[in-house]
Amino acid sequence: QSALTQPASVSGSPGQSITISCTGTSSDVGSYNLVSWYQQHPGKAPKLMIYEGSKRPSGVSNRFSGSKSGNTASLTISGLQAEDEADYYCCSYAGSSTFYVVFGGGTKLTVL
Amino acid sequence: QITLKESGPTLVKPTQTLTLTCTFSGFSLSTSGVGVGWIRQPPGKALEWLALIYWDDDKRYSPSLKSRLTITKDTSKNQVVLTMTNMDPVDTATYYCAHRSAVAGGAFDIWGQGTMVTVSS
Repeated sequence: QSALTQPASVSGSPGQSITISCTGTSSDVGSYNLVSWYQQHPGKAPKLMIYEGSKRPSGVSNRFSGSKSGNTASLTISGLQAEDEADYYCCSYAGSSTFYVVFGGGTKLTVL
Repeated sequence: QITLKESGPTLVKPTQTLTLTCTFSGFSLSTSGVGVGWIRQPPGKALEWLALIYWDDDKRYSPSLKSRLTITKDTSKNQVVLTMTNMDPVDTATYYCAHRSAVAGGAFDIWGQGTMVTVSS
């Protein structure tokens, strides 16, 4: 069981777009269309931003989008805003006969 | 409106057993597809999934912690309990419980506020 691999940090200026990658294996990201993404502001609980790889829950801005290719999932935030500065975590179901859940190591987004 | 709240000790000693309770409202853990998970986060570190219990009492555990974890549910009380044995200072973390959605691809769509647990003698 290994955590999914995310870049430690990304940054962008207001109005720009950024993409956060989440690399797993054929046993997790590659096997399941069940990648989710969470936003966490300091001292707060995580908030679901994307589920099933690319779907947005009600109330989440359409500036957030998700995709997947092979063993790598991605979160793209367009039109960066100051309020987007936070930690972002990807998550996937994993395993075969006995499945489990695995999170990524998290990415700190800085809005310059 | 779905809400969850974690409760339990804020301080435990090394080797002790930690018992955390997640009390929820706004959904039933007897509804098909629904689950409650536990996730923890050491200070300044990443989220780590611990366990998940489903409406049908199916239980899933982190492979690396499976021998130390037990998750149970009391549907009548709307509670889920997580026990972790043989606590160690590295288990110091904020522990969250979260609602596992039946419709959102099994994502954790609603989270509790978290409870901080410190392991120290």
